[in-house]
Amino acid sequence: AQSVTQPDARVTVSEGASLQLRCKYSSSVTPYLFWYVQYPRQGLQLLLKYYSGDPVVQGVNGFEAEFSKSNSSFHLRKASVHWSDSAVYFCAVSSPYGGSGNKLIFGTGTLLSVKP
Amino acid sequence: DTTVKQNPRYKLARVGKPVNLICSQTMNHDTMYWYQKKPNQAPKLLLFYYDKILNREADTFEKFQSSRPNNSFCSLYIGSAGLEYSAMYLCASSPGTGYEQYFGPGTRLTVL
Repeated sequence: AQSVTQPDARVTVSEGASLQLRCKYSSSVTPYLFWYVQYPRQGLQLLLKYYSGDPVVQGVNGFEAEFSKSNSSFHLRKASVHWSDSAVYFCAVSSPYGGSGNKLIFGTGTLLSVKP
Repeated sequence: DTTVKQNPRYKLARVGKPVNLICSQTMNHDTMYWYQKKPNQAPKLLLFYYDKILNREADTFEKFQSSRPNNSFCSLYIGSAGLEYSAMYLCASSPGTGYEQYFGPGTRLTVL
């Protein structure tokens, strides 16, 4: 069975600082990996996805993530955060084998607060 | 266009009354999902349609129903709402199971 762990429930950074949000996964095969963001009172928005290839993937709004097979991780990074990045960030995984039983497994989320 | 629409955005329901939520997508995705989202929790998958096949999660099997009259529309039906159903309900679609999902803005359901 697959699982996702986001060890930091809350992260606070100053505007302009760099950011890393951690995500660890457990899977018997290399999964598909995703980061989603939920702004207040909104649905989830896809930030970026990893299926295969280059372990560093670029997403929207300057976000990137790096896949590490050896560490079973998919950490999210941003070089310089803005106050508007304050939101809840979810890491998710799925199996690459598809089929009617395949689905996204979400972590519990990390609340990012950006101080002005 | 990666738009998923949900109606209504806000729903107030009485305990014991039925609730029907609507979702639509124009991306011709074959898979549509319904999640329940409560504060400080991960989205909880309730059910999904893979083409015309409905898959319901074991722990919510009897609590939620759904229909998909065509590829674009999907509904979520609660026969008798309880206080514990108060939550955000998120609809999503994807081009296939396991691939990225695109979410709608959600319906905030409040049961009184």
